[in-house]
Amino acid sequence: DIVMTQTPLSSPVTLGQPASISCRSSQSLVRSDGNTYLSWLQQRPGQPPRLLIYKISNRVSGVPDRFSGSGAGTDFTLRINRVEAEDVGVYYCMQASQFPPYTFGQGTRLEI
Amino acid sequence: EVQVVESGGDLEKPGGSLRLSCVVSGVTFSNTWMSWVRQAPGKGLEWVGRIKSKRDGETADYAAPVKGRFTITRDDSYNTVYLQMNSLKTEDTAVYYCATEYYYDLRRWGQGTLVTVSS
Repeated sequence: DIVMTQTPLSSPVTLGQPASISCRSSQSLVRSDGNTYLSWLQQRPGQPPRLLIYKISNRVSGVPDRFSGSGAGTDFTLRINRVEAEDVGVYYCMQASQFPPYTFGQGTRLEI
Repeated sequence: EVQVVESGGDLEKPGGSLRLSCVVSGVTFSNTWMSWVRQAPGKGLEWVGRIKSKRDGETADYAAPVKGRFTITRDDSYNTVYLQMNSLKTEDTAVYYCATEYYYDLRRWGQGTLVTVSS
């Protein structure tokens, strides 16, 4: 199974300042169809997860443009360019390139 | 608007069985792949399994910890996907989420249903 490793596991941030989360996979996530199925999910306190970004850098409709994703191969990053209070929660990367199973990172807690 | 609603969570003894249901609206369910993901108390997310649409073969895949004990089925006439859980273990205790899947992305999630396995 592909292991997804996120850093940091906890990130204190200041409102209005940028934040970034790194995700590294144990193997390349480039699939045979040429796509890289790496997504980012947000889980606010007491809420279910919510898909933010898919295929490395594609924002889901309705997700603020302060969220961006980048990376390739085995190294990926989620950036928030100006943190807002509503961004508090846990962020997970997830790979679906090599399955089963789909695998998640351990989660990164973003706290103000 | 897409809505996903899980139900069926309960307290069950080790070795027992439970069936979870997940009703989806706002999408063409028959063409939608569906995944189950669980989250143990205070822990991260763990993919449980996935069922493809009928046109894609309606096949199911499972994570190793549940393979042979859990079964995912679907009934397109009721826009519902099921997770049959047998031979439950204490480590199956978790909130179980159902999510629509679109080209390997878990797009829309339900609120989850809590399964507690304890004697």
